[in-house]
Amino acid sequence: AQSVTQLDSQVPVFEEAPVELRCNYSSSVSVYLFWYVQYPNQGLQLLLKYLSGSTLVESINGFEAEFNKSQTSFHLRKPSVHISDTAEYFCAVSRDTGRRALTFGSGTRLQVQP
Amino acid sequence: GAVVSQHPSRVICKSGTSVKIECRSLDFQATTMFWYRQFPKQSLMLMATSNEGSKATYEQGVEKDKFLINHASLTLSTLTVTSAHPEDSSFYICSARGRRTYEQYFGPGTRLTVT
Repeated sequence: AQSVTQLDSQVPVFEEAPVELRCNYSSSVSVYLFWYVQYPNQGLQLLLKYLSGSTLVESINGFEAEFNKSQTSFHLRKPSVHISDTAEYFCAVSRDTGRRALTFGSGTRLQVQP
Repeated sequence: GAVVSQHPSRVICKSGTSVKIECRSLDFQATTMFWYRQFPKQSLMLMATSNEGSKATYEQGVEKDKFLINHASLTLSTLTVTSAHPEDSSFYICSARGRRTYEQYFGPGTRLTVT
């Protein structure tokens, strides 16, 4: 079985400041890693994913995450946040075989302040 | 991108009644659909996985007789909450995945309130 730990339940940050949302996972098999974003009263949207290859993955809106196998981490970063980035962010993991159901972390609320 | 819809978006029902939630993949064939439950300010918990034309696989602790899942076609899965009680009030989210792909596309969710 897999598990995901998001240590920070809330991260307040000022606009244009950098941010890092932490994610650690546990698994005995190879996995895929994902970050999803959920805006208020909306469903989840895929932000970025790691399947294989380059350990640094980027999204179209400036977020990036780096897969670190030795530390079993997949932290999400953005060098300069906007008010519109305020949302709930979920890290998730799935096996790379089989039904590939997602296991989610508990989520991190990013609150960007002016 | 792929679109998944859910209907209804909100539903309020009386205790003891049953509620059906639909999940549709609008522009792709979903061979696998997943149903999640999300409590306020908490993460998503996988309830069950359904493959088109076969019985759903339920996660440990989820009552299959209470949460009936049907995946009758490649574009439609339904979740029926039978004999609903106030503790069943939650945000129910479905996701769908096509054949030979890894990515799940999520619906907007259904907020169920049982009074």
